[in-house]
Amino acid sequence: GQQVMQIPQYQHVQEGEDFTTYCNSSTTLSNIQWYKQRPGGHPVFLIQLVKSGEVKKQKRLTFQFGEAKKNSSLHITATQTTDVGTYFCAGRASGTYKYIFGTGTRLKVLA
Amino acid sequence: EAQVTQNPRYLITVTGKKLTVTCSQNMNHEYMSWYRQDPGLGLRQIYYSMNVEVTDKGDVPEGYKVSRKEKRNFPLILESPSPNQTSLYFCASSLFAGSNSPLHFGNGTRLTVT
Repeated sequence: GQQVMQIPQYQHVQEGEDFTTYCNSSTTLSNIQWYKQRPGGHPVFLIQLVKSGEVKKQKRLTFQFGEAKKNSSLHITATQTTDVGTYFCAGRASGTYKYIFGTGTRLKVLA
Repeated sequence: EAQVTQNPRYLITVTGKKLTVTCSQNMNHEYMSWYRQDPGLGLRQIYYSMNVEVTDKGDVPEGYKVSRKEKRNFPLILESPSPNQTSLYFCASSLFAGSNSPLHFGNGTRLTVT
């Protein structure tokens, strides 16, 4: 079945450093969504990517969708303590209606 | 306010004692789903519903039941809870199944089965 792998599992950075998390799918995706879960909170939708090679930005966050639509990344420039949390990707395989979540990357930012 | 409401937030129970976790959404969403979150395993889908009276198994359905008698409600039932069902549970909804609309999550239910 479809699998979505996400790396790294954990990342500790100093405040001001950059951070990247990667998602890789075993199958071609129709689209991919990214969510952020603050400690003790619930996942909150950040963004969706649909087109091959698509790049979207939200302030310090840059999201990319691979050309083959099988991988994606989230890059945060100059992390802040407010970026702390777990970031999940969720991919929907072409021809299906189900989203498969990656295992998440837990980010800690040291002030 | 548009939201997904789960109750209770915390629940401690004993093995074998039936329990229900409620989920309600006020956004007229057709699609609803239950996930469990465990360390290192991410969010795994338990059951989902594409519309009223339509439910189907997700990736980890064993030991769970659901029903969708009304569009807004999607309760999760554990007929005979076991310790391996200790987890953090999330209900989520979206406009339609298979659409590009985002999932809206409830605040979660932390279940402990002793």
